[in-house]
Amino acid sequence: AQSVTQLDSQVPVFEEAPVELRCNYSSSVSVYLFWYVQYPNQGLQLLLKYLSGSTLVESINGFEAEFNKSQTSFHLRKPSVHISDTAEYFCAVLNTGGFKTIFGAGTRLFVKA
Amino acid sequence: NAGVTQTPKFQVLKTGQSMTLQCAQDMNHEYMSWYRQDPGMGLRLIHYSVGAGITDQGEVPNGYNVSRSTTEDFPLRLLSAAPSRTSVYFCASSYRQVNEKLFFGSGTQLSVL
Repeated sequence: AQSVTQLDSQVPVFEEAPVELRCNYSSSVSVYLFWYVQYPNQGLQLLLKYLSGSTLVESINGFEAEFNKSQTSFHLRKPSVHISDTAEYFCAVLNTGGFKTIFGAGTRLFVKA
Repeated sequence: NAGVTQTPKFQVLKTGQSMTLQCAQDMNHEYMSWYRQDPGMGLRLIHYSVGAGITDQGEVPNGYNVSRSTTEDFPLRLLSAAPSRTSVYFCASSYRQVNEKLFFGSGTQLSVL
């Protein structure tokens, strides 16, 4: 069975500073990887995904994540954060050919002015 | 396009009561699933369905039943509620059985007294 570990439960950062949210996964087969974002009192929205091909994937709002198979990681980064990026971020893994998307515990990003 | 619709948004139950959380999607998605979200634990998969008439268990299925009589609807039934069932419940769907991108509803906040 697959699993996901998000190494930080909370990450406070000042506006315009860079940020990295860490995610490690465990699986015995090849995987798809995802980052979802949850704004207060809302459901989750897909931020970006890795299915195959280039190991660096980007979102439309400046986030990027890199799939590192040897380290079984999929860390999320942004070079300069905005107040509006304050949200909870979830890393998720799906075994290729599987039906169960498994989520990590989440990282709460708090951007301060 | 309504997307994934969950009702009710809030519910309070007494221990031992049962109820059904409703989920409907209008995107003709094959795959539907139920998650519960608890602080510090992220989202945990309860049950999922890969098509009408087909359901299977997720990570935490005990105490819950599901059915999928139509493509659009995927209700979650809580059997004999207990305080441990207090949580926020999310329904999610995706176009194909291999759920590359999940679309989430806005959630149902359930409190069991």
